[in-house]
Amino acid sequence: DAGVTQSPTHLIKTRGQQVTLRCSPKSGHDTVSWYQQALGQGPQFIFQYYEEEERQRGNFPDRFSGHQFPNYSSELNVNALLLGDSALYLCAMWTSGRTGELFFGEGSRLTVL
Amino acid sequence: AQSVAQPEDQVNVAEGNPLTVKCTYSVSGNPYLFWYVQYPNRGLQFLLKYITGDNLVKGSYGFEAEFNKSQTSFHLKKPSALVSDSALYFCAVRDRLYNQGGKLIFGQGTELSVKP
Repeated sequence: DAGVTQSPTHLIKTRGQQVTLRCSPKSGHDTVSWYQQALGQGPQFIFQYYEEEERQRGNFPDRFSGHQFPNYSSELNVNALLLGDSALYLCAMWTSGRTGELFFGEGSRLTVL
Repeated sequence: AQSVAQPEDQVNVAEGNPLTVKCTYSVSGNPYLFWYVQYPNRGLQFLLKYITGDNLVKGSYGFEAEFNKSQTSFHLKKPSALVSDSALYFCAVRDRLYNQGGKLIFGQGTELSVKP
C-alpha cells in the first residue's frame, strides 16, 4: 500500500465542463506527480509539484493545471473538457531521492461525454 | 530523448511455464529502469527497478529482470507463471535530469495472459 489516496474514483462530465481531481500522498512525501493513462496506452506525465510549485511539465495544454497545498496534497484541474480527455488520471509520489521508485494511487476514471 | 519500447502487445503463456516480457530502451547516459504491473481498473504497482550494479534484478511476486546494456534491453522474467500473473505490464525509464522526483517515461504496455 503506497498510501496515495485519490478522489473521486469515477466521474462523468460533458464536453466543455471543468473537473477537479484530488490526491493525498502519504505523510512526509512532498513530491506529487500526475499522469494521464488513456485506454490501451501507457501513462503519460502531466506535471510534478514540489514545495507547492510546478517543477516539471509534460506535453499537455494549459487547460491542465494543478496545485499543491502546504500539507502536500494536490489537485489536478482540467478546463474545457474534450472527449479525448477521457482517461484514468493517476497521482504518484517518489519514495525517496534519486534511487527511489514511484508509487501510484488507484486513479480517478474520467469519462467525458 | 528517452524512450521505451515494448514490442509485444500480448504474451500468452501456460501456467507453470517460464515467461518473458520484452522491453528495450533508448537513453542518454546510464538508465534507471522500472517494471510496473496493472490489474484491471487499478493503479500501477511497482515490481522492480534497475539503478546500477548486478544485471539481474529481483523483485516482487517472484519476478526478475535482466539488464543488458549492449542490447539496450530490460526484459521481465519469471521461472514459473501463475494464472494470477495475468495483467498489464509496463516498462519505464526515469528522466535523470532532476534530483527531486523527475518523470517516468512508459512503454505502451504488454498484456500477459496465463492460461491454466
